[in-house]
Amino acid sequence: EPEVTQTPSHQVTQMGQEVILRCVPISNHLYFYWYRQILGQKVEFLVSFYNNEISEKSEIFDDQFSVERPDGSNFTLKIRSTKLEDSAMYFCASSEGQMNTEAFFGQGTRLTVV
Amino acid sequence: DQQVKQNSPSLSVQEGRISILNCDYTNSMFDYFLWYKKYPAEGPTFLISISSIKDKNEDGRFTVFLNKSAKHLSLHIVPSQPGDSAVYFCAASLTGGGNKLTFGTGTQLKVEL
Repeated sequence: EPEVTQTPSHQVTQMGQEVILRCVPISNHLYFYWYRQILGQKVEFLVSFYNNEISEKSEIFDDQFSVERPDGSNFTLKIRSTKLEDSAMYFCASSEGQMNTEAFFGQGTRLTVV
Repeated sequence: DQQVKQNSPSLSVQEGRISILNCDYTNSMFDYFLWYKKYPAEGPTFLISISSIKDKNEDGRFTVFLNKSAKHLSLHIVPSQPGDSAVYFCAASLTGGGNKLTFGTGTQLKVEL
């Protein structure tokens, strides 16, 4: 069964450092997303991406964040200068269509900023 | 932002019985609803969805009911199995919203032998 894969599973970084979280969406999917879940809180939408551009982003997704699809398979989330409060589980997801279709999630990357 | 609420943080059910998980929403523009299951250290796994033009959708042991007037949906699992023990998230999206999902806080289901 096709699945969304994320690397690394756990990333520890120092405050102020840049991190790149990587995702390989399901191959025939066209829409890509990043969500995050801070420990003990709900899963929150960060950004959606289609046709090589951001289609929607949340208030959380400020100038410190960026996304990219550098080739035909990878989808990345970059945090330029990490803060302690960026510590969370980051989930990548993809879907076939935009409306009324389920999104399939990866297993997540646990980001710990120290 | 409490547009999607799951008021029960936990639920305990005996194996073989019915599990009923509830979800309320406040945004009447939501028109597509989903349930996800999540195990620790894993991503959410899609279970079942329902469009706002329906009031029921069934898939095997899982049935989702939607009451638009009450802005309420529920997930029924019958019969419940120990492997169903997980956190269940309700999520909602709206047409034109780019499939952005708004999640509830989750309900921890424990199915006991």
